[in-house]
Amino acid sequence: NAGVMQNPRHLVRRRGQEARLRCSPMKGHSHVYWYRQLPEEGLKFMVYLQKENIIDESGMPKERFSAEFPKEGPSILRIQQVVRGDSAAYFCASSPKRTENYGYTFGSGTRLTVV
Amino acid sequence: AQSVTQPDIHITVSEGASLELRCNYSYGATPYLFWYVQSPGQGLQLLLKYFSGDTLVQGIKGFEAEFKRSQSSFNLRKPSVHWSDAAEYFCAVGSDNTNAGKSTFGDGTTLTVKP
Repeated sequence: NAGVMQNPRHLVRRRGQEARLRCSPMKGHSHVYWYRQLPEEGLKFMVYLQKENIIDESGMPKERFSAEFPKEGPSILRIQQVVRGDSAAYFCASSPKRTENYGYTFGSGTRLTVV
Repeated sequence: AQSVTQPDIHITVSEGASLELRCNYSYGATPYLFWYVQSPGQGLQLLLKYFSGDTLVQGIKGFEAEFKRSQSSFNLRKPSVHWSDAAEYFCAVGSDNTNAGKSTFGDGTTLTVKP
């Protein structure tokens, strides 16, 4: 039973380019969460999605960032016109139901470097 | 709003010694509490979780944690540390919003194990 799959593991983008991060949840998991980890910091919540629905995007920056979890395929976190401050590790987690009952299963993350 | 404080940024212990990592939380109702471990370059792995019932919970890798409501604490312990336990440890509290599943993480405690 494969875990949460994130790709790419490492992504380098020049300032102004777009970054697309993918996350395939564990089989049977319908809840997906995106977190960002800046160097020397903890994880900060970005967005919580279920299939075709954004449940909570209170942690998403108002501009340039968007997320989706389509009926078919992986969840995508998209960052337009990247800036140096977007350099971070982006982690996806999934759970079969709400966090409270199960905790998260995390992917290995995508490390974004903006040059 | 929920929050988590991990007072110790960095802890060093000798191999074979006991370990306690502190976690204090702020939460409006019955908390859902978690401890995760992150090895360098990896995602987070769930060590243990508390939802209700027995306040002493057992996890993987020989870890345990005790929920103390009066102190708003959920400290992680291990009787005898192994070199492979060197990693970063995160405490998290589950959402207090019945419609959201997000967890709030502390900033982490880095554990170094001396031979």
